[in-house]
Amino acid sequence: QVQLVQSGPEVKMPGASVKVSCKASGYTFSNFAIHWVRQAPGQGLEWMGWINTGDGRTKFSQKFQGRVTITKDTSASIAYMEVGSLRSEDTAVYYCARRIVGVLDYWGQGTLVTVSS
Amino acid sequence: QSALTQPASVSGSPGQSITISCTGTSSDVGAYNYVSWFQQRPDTVPKLMIYNVTNRPSGVPDRFSGSKSANTASLTISGLQAEDEADYYCSSYRNDVTDVFGTGTKVTVL
Repeated sequence: QVQLVQSGPEVKMPGASVKVSCKASGYTFSNFAIHWVRQAPGQGLEWMGWINTGDGRTKFSQKFQGRVTITKDTSASIAYMEVGSLRSEDTAVYYCARRIVGVLDYWGQGTLVTVSS
Repeated sequence: QSALTQPASVSGSPGQSITISCTGTSSDVGAYNYVSWFQQRPDTVPKLMIYNVTNRPSGVPDRFSGSKSANTASLTISGLQAEDEADYYCSSYRNDVTDVFGTGTKVTVL
């Protein structure tokens, strides 16, 4: 069965970086894109960016362009999302999700990132 | 890149029908049939309810249906049940190869 398992919660200082992983299983990793979505406490869903797991191309929301990096390790079926220059407003649950023909059909369990001094 | 516009809240009594709108532009909702709807209960992962405007994943009750007209997509819940109380989000593919979510709608069952 398809599963996306994310890394555990993180607590970071302002200005630091955080890297969240998303391990896929139950399907061929390189056949489906991985998207990243975040949700701040009490707020809505916010789309961040995605990676083509075949050729590694990425695309980001303008809001995150230059501050977010998405990479992959195809041999391990893992996608990574790194946010730099963290600020308190980046405190959120970060989700990865598999994309198939316009649909985010399977989601990871979410990773809480807390930015606090 | 603005979020798609949804009403902040919609309510209805058990058994009634409600409709949630999702308004975008000719660059997203109006341009593609890649509109999805997600249900999210407190502290849970979003659950896919409708994809590609009108399609229901396996296991989603047929009380949930989707449609689209021009730049506005809609989710209708017929025969509202207490378990339908949750937040609902629409999403759409955009012509710049990105995605966008709606602002979210809180559904209350009276």
